Amino acid sequence: QQQVKQSPQSLIVQKGGISIINCAYENTAFDYFPWYQQFPGKGPALLIAIRPDVSEKKEGRFTISFNKSAKQFSLHIMDSQPGDSATYFCAASTGNQFYFGTGTSLTVIP
Amino acid sequence: DAGVIQSPRHEVTEMGQEVTLRCKPISGHDYLFWYRQTMMRGLELLIYFNNNVPIDDSGMPEDRFSAKMPNASFSTLKIQPSEPRDSAVYFCASSLYPTEAFFGQGTRLTVV
Repeated sequence: QQQVKQSPQSLIVQKGGISIINCAYENTAFDYFPWYQQFPGKGPALLIAIRPDVSEKKEGRFTISFNKSAKQFSLHIMDSQPGDSATYFCAASTGNQFYFGTGTSLTVIP
Repeated sequence: DAGVIQSPRHEVTEMGQEVTLRCKPISGHDYLFWYRQTMMRGLELLIYFNNNVPIDDSGMPEDRFSAKMPNASFSTLKIQPSEPRDSAVYFCASSLYPTEAFFGQGTRLTVV
């Protein structure tokens, strides 16, 4: 059973546009929600993370929006750039285990 | 710090052979994780250690898989005997806390 459901599977965005990736979870014990970015041939790298006591966290062009009541969180990439083209994974953690989404392949076209 | 170091980067082996993947975590990190990544199943946690002790190995697919962490700076994941369906990218990750895991570059395993 997939603990974290991620959508869409793939996304194509024009340069300068906004990329939005969504995740949903069921386990209310999750208390940490990171997003990872993975480039081909590389391991996933932590991009940004949020805890459920805040509804939004912003770091540069990357923003996590968190809706605790809906058990959903999303990643917004503002002013998307071709260099943002990668696979993005959401994850949820109970503090001793990570559960990853299935990933979203983002392509930003010039 | 050089980050999490995995070796080899690529491994091609014949079905039935033993495969050993190696990982050097970031110094000072208490947690070490082994993940497997495939197109079909995404990232799967296989096992994780805390202070060199295996905490949860429920993700290990079969008895053919085993993992050890003899000291704080080294871990191995062994598959014996290997099968074609074990072909995947295997990642090692470490963290100071069970959050914010730092991943290695992975080992791409191909079993023919």
